[in-house]
Amino acid sequence: GDSVTQMEGPVTLSEEAFLTINCTYTATGYPSLFWYVQYPGEGLQLLLKATKADDKGSNKGFEATYRKETTSFHLEKGSVQVSDSAVYFCARKGGSNYKLTFGKGTLLTVNP
Amino acid sequence: EPEVTQTPSHQVTQMGQEVILRCVPISNHLYFYWYRQILGQKVEFLVSFYNNEISEKSEIFDDQFSVERPDGSNFTLKIRSTKLEDSAMYFCASSDRDGGEKLFFGSGTQLSVL
Repeated sequence: GDSVTQMEGPVTLSEEAFLTINCTYTATGYPSLFWYVQYPGEGLQLLLKATKADDKGSNKGFEATYRKETTSFHLEKGSVQVSDSAVYFCARKGGSNYKLTFGKGTLLTVNP
Repeated sequence: EPEVTQTPSHQVTQMGQEVILRCVPISNHLYFYWYRQILGQKVEFLVSFYNNEISEKSEIFDDQFSVERPDGSNFTLKIRSTKLEDSAMYFCASSDRDGGEKLFFGSGTQLSVL
């Protein structure tokens, strides 16, 4: 079935470091791909998305490119800030109109 | 920005008891969802709800679970007889359109079954 596998955390970085959080998905059909973020005490929020191969989603300095050949959607940011500390979830939607399939989430902590 | 509200934030119950988790979706949204995350595991889809009926449910959503929109603002998840393995963070979400890809999530209810 549909699944998403993302990098195990936690990830701890210093401010201004480069971030990569890996995400791969099962290649059933042509899913839309997402990154959601959960800040402490809040609900999950959509960070960015891509709906077809080679699309790049971007928001708040984060980017992810839909790579069909490697079935990946890795999240990157060139220079992280303390305020980026959160849990990041990779997700896919395909087939069903209603269901998102999430990864386990990756906890990112950015230290000053 | 409008938000989805969930209450309570924490719920502790004894095995076999009924629990009701409450959610207030965003007011003009029409599609409602419950997800859950058992500690250390993936966020899992439970059920989606539209036009006063379930539109899709997962294999997790068995006869012990039910959802209801009792009035124009609340959306509830009921677990009839809780089991230890129901302990998880439960997230409510809503969206404004069919197949909505931007889901708005609440901050979750942490359910602990003892």
